[in-house]
Amino acid sequence: GIQVEQSPPDLILQEGANSTLRCNFSDSVNNLQWFHQNPWGQLINLFYIPSGTKQNGRLSATTVATERYSLLYISSSQTTDSGVYFCAVEGGSEKLVFGKGMKLTVNP
Amino acid sequence: SQTIHQWPATLVQPVGSPLSLECTVEGTSNPNLYWYRQAAGRGLQLLFYSVGIGQISSEVPQNLSASRPQDRQFILSSKKLLLSDSGFYLCAWGGHMNYGYTFGSGTRLTVV
Repeated sequence: GIQVEQSPPDLILQEGANSTLRCNFSDSVNNLQWFHQNPWGQLINLFYIPSGTKQNGRLSATTVATERYSLLYISSSQTTDSGVYFCAVEGGSEKLVFGKGMKLTVNP
Repeated sequence: SQTIHQWPATLVQPVGSPLSLECTVEGTSNPNLYWYRQAAGRGLQLLFYSVGIGQISSEVPQNLSASRPQDRQFILSSKKLLLSDSGFYLCAWGGHMNYGYTFGSGTRLTVV
């Protein structure tokens, strides 16, 4: 099945710093999503981005489908950005496959 | 708009007891529905998915089962819980063409 790798696995930042999260996937995809898991466990959909670039406030994402990777940018990080970020992809199987996640800690 | 409801939020059950977790979706018809589990640590594992009433596909052999008695209802069950069934269970609806998958708020199950 399709493989999803996220890097880095963990990241610690000071408030106000920028960061880039990377997601590599092993096959062509119909769907790619970035999620933020909050401290209560809920998965918040940040971006649906099988290709191209999107921006939402301080967050933006780019997926280069032909090269099989996606990047999530967080600018001017805040303590509320802390949590686990997941990349998940769907190939041709109607199933969403998750990476192992990246734990972000933003210190005040 | 489409919404997904999942309950209960937390559950503590003794080993050997039965389990029933329910998930319902509103605002859509014939959705694809999914059950995921997140054990201690971070990874999310797909347990079951359903593309229609009575149609269940199992991804991982285990102590759990799933049923879809109605179009927008998905149930996760066990006859006898094991300690290893502890975890965070998430129901999902997907995949909308322009939005992808939406997840419920999850059930944190602790088997004692």
